[in-house]
Amino acid sequence: SQQGEEDPQALSIQEGENATMNCSYKTSINNLQWYRQNSGRGLVHLILIRSNEREKHSGRLRVTLDTSKKSSSLLITASRAADTASYFCATDGGSGYALNFGKGTSLLVTP
Amino acid sequence: SQTIHQWPATLVQPVGSPLSLECTVEGTSNPNLYWYRQAAGRGLQLLFYSVGIGQISSEVPQNLSASRPQDRQFILSSKKLLLSDSGFYLCAWSFGGTIYTEAFFGQGTRLTVV
Repeated sequence: SQQGEEDPQALSIQEGENATMNCSYKTSINNLQWYRQNSGRGLVHLILIRSNEREKHSGRLRVTLDTSKKSSSLLITASRAADTASYFCATDGGSGYALNFGKGTSLLVTP
Repeated sequence: SQTIHQWPATLVQPVGSPLSLECTVEGTSNPNLYWYRQAAGRGLQLLFYSVGIGQISSEVPQNLSASRPQDRQFILSSKKLLLSDSGFYLCAWSFGGTIYTEAFFGQGTRLTVV
């Protein structure tokens, strides 16, 4: 079953701007993860945030988690054309094993 | 280091034909293994996952089955393909024994049932 739900479905920005994507989920979690998928390829892990963490940074990525609202956001700062991809959030639904993904946000960064 | 191999990359099969997609992981032991399907322009649907040899959990009832004959081998099968089985199939693995682990994906198999 699909746990996460990303918003917006599509996002178009110019290079240098920031991109923010949101994710909402339904059940309790141990952790929430964000992945990136280039067209026609496998997914690449970006960042994992534990349920007891509120914010995490990795390079130009900033992830926040609000377990009371069952939501997370991914911020990509100073975006580049190479950031063009689909971004997915994934939750373990409390199982610790079965990662369930949302439908993703399609990000287009134009030069 | 760990690697995941998934093949074939593309496959065109007639309706009613059997299917076998194979995925192997190298460089780790007792991984969790996953099969996902992604329909065009949509998110990933978890089909099966396995936390050990012979242990398969199915997330959705369907025309597919999975098996784990060896620790690092995960096979997705069908006896008779349907048109609705078309999609992008992704195998993934994660470290076993911990709930705080990322998943590592193969490059996927694009299956077209005609």
